[in-house]
Amino acid sequence: AAGVIQSPRHLIKEKRETATLKCYPIPRHDTVYWYQQGPGQDPQFLISFYEKMQSDKGSIPDRFSAQQFSDYHSELNMSSLELGDSALYFCASSLRTVDTGELFFGEGSRLTVL
Amino acid sequence: SQKIEQNSEALNIQEGKTATLTCNYTNYSPAYLQWYRQDPGRGPVFLLLIRENEKEKRKERLKVTFDTTLKQSLFHITASPPADSATYLCAPSPKTDKLIFGTGTRLQVFP
Repeated sequence: AAGVIQSPRHLIKEKRETATLKCYPIPRHDTVYWYQQGPGQDPQFLISFYEKMQSDKGSIPDRFSAQQFSDYHSELNMSSLELGDSALYFCASSLRTVDTGELFFGEGSRLTVL
Repeated sequence: SQKIEQNSEALNIQEGKTATLTCNYTNYSPAYLQWYRQDPGRGPVFLLLIRENEKEKRKERLKVTFDTTLKQSLFHITASPPADSATYLCAPSPKTDKLIFGTGTRLQVFP
């Protein structure tokens, strides 16, 4: 079965640079979520989209922005990168009409800021 | 503010024993509560969901309880093999698109 695809899997950037992460949800899933997980931390909710509209927002810095496109893939744009942005970034998708709330996670994109 | 707490210390058990993990939440009224498993460097994987009107739910070797009065969920894994070693995350859900995870409990099962 198709899973959530994230790219790139690994990314190394310098401070103050920009990075873009991509997420391709499971086909027919209508909701996409982004999470940030620092070393030894639990996943922190950043932002979610339902049917290409932002549906909820968490602790996402102003330097970050995200959107969901017409083909339902989503991108997380991070600008003016800081050392503290080094983390695993997970994308997850779900189908809202299925009343289980189960999220399907991708394998993550590991961002290292030097 | 909303808070979710899980056993902060790692839980070490011997193979074949039962592990019990705790999830406490405050300032929340979740419609349901989910449990996920996460292996190092991997994305969380959904295990089980229990609704606010359910007191207990079972799935194979897993059992979850949900006490909305105590604001607590207990997660039991019976007859654990070493392959159950992972971090277990709880997520009380208010039924919005903002699933918040607890701090996670690392379970280590020794042979």
